[in-house]
Amino acid sequence: DTVLTQSPALAVSPGERVTISCRASESVSTGMHWYQQKPGQQPKLLIYGASNLESGVPARFSGSGSGTDFTLTIDPVEADDTATYFCQQSWNDPYTFGAGTKLELK
Amino acid sequence: EVQLVETGGGLVQPGNSLKLSCATSGFTFSTAWMNWIRQTPGKRLEWLAQIEDKSNNYFISYLESVKGRFTISRDDSKSSVYLQMNNLKEEDTAIYYCVYGSHGWFAYWGQGTLVTVSS
Repeated sequence: DTVLTQSPALAVSPGERVTISCRASESVSTGMHWYQQKPGQQPKLLIYGASNLESGVPARFSGSGSGTDFTLTIDPVEADDTATYFCQQSWNDPYTFGAGTKLELK
Repeated sequence: EVQLVETGGGLVQPGNSLKLSCATSGFTFSTAWMNWIRQTPGKRLEWLAQIEDKSNNYFISYLESVKGRFTISRDDSKSSVYLQMNNLKEEDTAIYYCVYGSHGWFAYWGQGTLVTVSS
């Protein structure tokens, strides 16, 4: 199965720019998607197809990458962005998720 | 408004069975590809199963590790999808989400139902 590796945690100050990375164990082309999950809630789709912003998601969120290396960028970060961010690939069977990056605000 | 509501979770002993249901509204269910995804106590997300629509002959795919124990099904007349889980193990303990998503990404998630497998 395709393993997706994410950094466990990040801490940033409001107003800063943050990049969250996801590395795939094999190429997933642009079949990479990003989700935000706040405590007690279900995951929410932010980015699909590596760089496409889901409807209703603030333009502060953006995605980039192809092949094995992907990035979710939040610029500027707001207090409400405190959450865990998951990447997910759909290029190879089965669909797999990263372990998540917990974003904390200083 | 898209809504997905899971029911059927609970406490079950190892080796027993449980059937989860997901009632949906707010979108054209008959053409939707539906999925079950679970989140473990350690917060890991794991895709379990997908059922495609009638035009794709209701094609079904499973995560290898649950194949033969879990069965996904759907009833288009009720806009509902189901997950039959047999021979449950303690490692199946998780929150189970019903998820609407075609093209490989998951746009709409239910609130989840907790399944606890313990003696």
